[in-house]
Amino acid sequence: KNQVEQSPQSLIILEGKNCTLQCNYTVSPFSNLRWYKQDTGRGPVSLTIMTFSENTKSNGRYTATLDADTKQSSLHITASQLSDSASYICVVSSDTGRRALTFGSGTRLQVQP
Amino acid sequence: ETGVTQTPRHLVMGMTNKKSLKCEQHLGHNAMYWYKQSAKKPLELMFVYSLEERVENNSVPSRFSPECPNSSHLFLHLHTLQPEDSALYLCASSQDLLYEQYFGPGTRLTVT
Repeated sequence: KNQVEQSPQSLIILEGKNCTLQCNYTVSPFSNLRWYKQDTGRGPVSLTIMTFSENTKSNGRYTATLDADTKQSSLHITASQLSDSASYICVVSSDTGRRALTFGSGTRLQVQP
Repeated sequence: ETGVTQTPRHLVMGMTNKKSLKCEQHLGHNAMYWYKQSAKKPLELMFVYSLEERVENNSVPSRFSPECPNSSHLFLHLHTLQPEDSALYLCASSQDLLYEQYFGPGTRLTVT
């Protein structure tokens, strides 16, 4: 069964600090992995997409890594801001001819002043 | 603004009511989706439409009835819901089934 596990479930950090969110998956065959940011009461917005051949990809203060061998991904946030407070969702796509998506439960990040 | 709008943003309804959620996408996409998001749970895919044809229905109770009159509009008709149906209902669209999905802001539904 395809699964995506995210950790931690929730995280509180001080403004300006860095943090790393984890995503482990057991999706096969693997097509790509996305990180979404979801503000409270709003729909998810894509931050980055990573394919099998990519190890690292950055989007401003967000840096995602992918280890396809260990089936792990991380999202590193640098110099956190109050506006980073949100849920971060890892979504893994399986290329089964008609793409199937497996969603993680998300990590709830709260950045405090 | 992602180009996907949903109305209403908030809805409170009794178990005997009938209501509809509306989704509209302005991106020229061919596929549209309904998701349910409950607290502390992953998004649950409910329905998928591609070129106005339903291509996926993930064992959703019949009290949820989707309608896709054209590629830009998607409805979710609700009747005789249960309190456990209270959740955030998200609509998404994509260029087709193989492409990135863009989400709407969601409708926060409370069933009393």
